[in-house]
Amino acid sequence: EVQLVESGGGLVKPGGSLRLSCAASGFTFSSYSMNWVRQAPGKGLEWVSSISSSSSYIYYADSVKGRFTISRDNAKNSLYLQMNSLRAEDTAVYYCAREGAGGTFDYWGQGTLVTVSS
Amino acid sequence: SYVLTQPPSVSVAPGQTARITCGGNNIGSKSVHWYQQKPGQAPVLVVYDDSDRPSGIPERFSGSNSGNTATLTISRVEAGDEADYYCQVWDSSSDHYVFGTGTKVTVL
Repeated sequence: EVQLVESGGGLVKPGGSLRLSCAASGFTFSSYSMNWVRQAPGKGLEWVSSISSSSSYIYYADSVKGRFTISRDNAKNSLYLQMNSLRAEDTAVYYCAREGAGGTFDYWGQGTLVTVSS
Repeated sequence: SYVLTQPPSVSVAPGQTARITCGGNNIGSKSVHWYQQKPGQAPVLVVYDDSDRPSGIPERFSGSNSGNTATLTISRVEAGDEADYYCQVWDSSSDHYVFGTGTKVTVL
């Protein structure tokens, strides 16, 4: 069974940093691209970042480029999101999602809440 | 950047058909995927590549895509279909994934 479990969320002050983790199991992690998708309270889904299976290709949404860094450790079956210079508008539930065939997000974690507030 | 526009809400009586549109410039040239999200839960893929269904998704869910509009159709709507629905594409011109604005389906 595919499982994605996010952790690392919490309350942080504006300008602060936070590192999210996503532990994957039930599939060959090193064979799949992975993504972070976020959802602000009461709002829609927003794609944040994508990383290819071997980390060769990395993409970011314009809203986070230069502040967030996506990475992975295939030996540990883990995905990460380093978030720096956090802003109030970064407050959201952050989901880890596996990228399936054709650019779908076929499996999602349960999400971790990041709150940026003073 | 590429924009996908959905109606904020759609209301439908049980047993009837709900149609949710997703508008984007020449979206017919892209593969469109659809997600269902119930309150407090992660999204679930319900249609991929315009009209295919993942295993476990009822045949009542179908999709189409042409021109500037993609459509998710839910036939014989049930109370359990009440949720938010999002379309999604890959925009190759910007190397970005894009989600639609989302549609709340209410079953009357």
